[in-house]
Amino acid sequence: AQKITQTQPGMFVQEKEAVTLDCTYDTSDPSYGLFWYKQPSSGEMIFLIYQGSYDQQNATEGRYSLNFQKARKSANLVISASQLGDSAMYFCAMREPGGYQKVTFGTGTKLQVIP
Amino acid sequence: DTGVSQDPRHKITKRGQNVTFRCDPISEHNRLYWYRQTLGQGPEFLTYFQNEAQLEKSRLLSDRFSAERPKGSFSTLEIQRTEQGDSAMYLCASSLTGNTDTQYFGPGTRLTVL
Repeated sequence: AQKITQTQPGMFVQEKEAVTLDCTYDTSDPSYGLFWYKQPSSGEMIFLIYQGSYDQQNATEGRYSLNFQKARKSANLVISASQLGDSAMYFCAMREPGGYQKVTFGTGTKLQVIP
Repeated sequence: DTGVSQDPRHKITKRGQNVTFRCDPISEHNRLYWYRQTLGQGPEFLTYFQNEAQLEKSRLLSDRFSAERPKGSFSTLEIQRTEQGDSAMYLCASSLTGNTDTQYFGPGTRLTVL
């Protein structure tokens, strides 16, 4: 079974608009961490935001916020005021406890910002 | 803080040749990870070091793959007798043991096996 599911292969958003990228996850462990990364066409994975499973509030980092709904096991990324430079692949990832804090990635969503 | 660096950025090789990639983590990070990413997929875990100890290896890491981190700083990933199926982006990440243990990635090495 997929640990991380990103159901949107591709998304379009108008510049300056907000966009939500979906992510659902599957784990039976109460302690886990959720991450979002951005991968531009250059290939480098850029860390955006982190949410711990015990965090009471949704994480925010500048224009990025994470809509964490624990009961639904969803961790959607919201990007406000989209910019042309936001065009990239976005990956949701989950870290579960274990010997090496294993991180599993989803298949990604390609976001294209339209001028 | 110069970030994670990887060398080379691109490698083209012929099938059957050996290749070696280098990763320099963020200086104070004690954990180092190697991932492989193929087109249209997210990164897949290959192996993990804590300091100089290799603590975990994925089943993806066949006997032709070997990784080292001899002094707990930089790491190398070697692929022997390369196959066309090895063509991928090889990503290195590092993290510092702590609350979030966030992994920071390097720019990757793109391997093409002809």
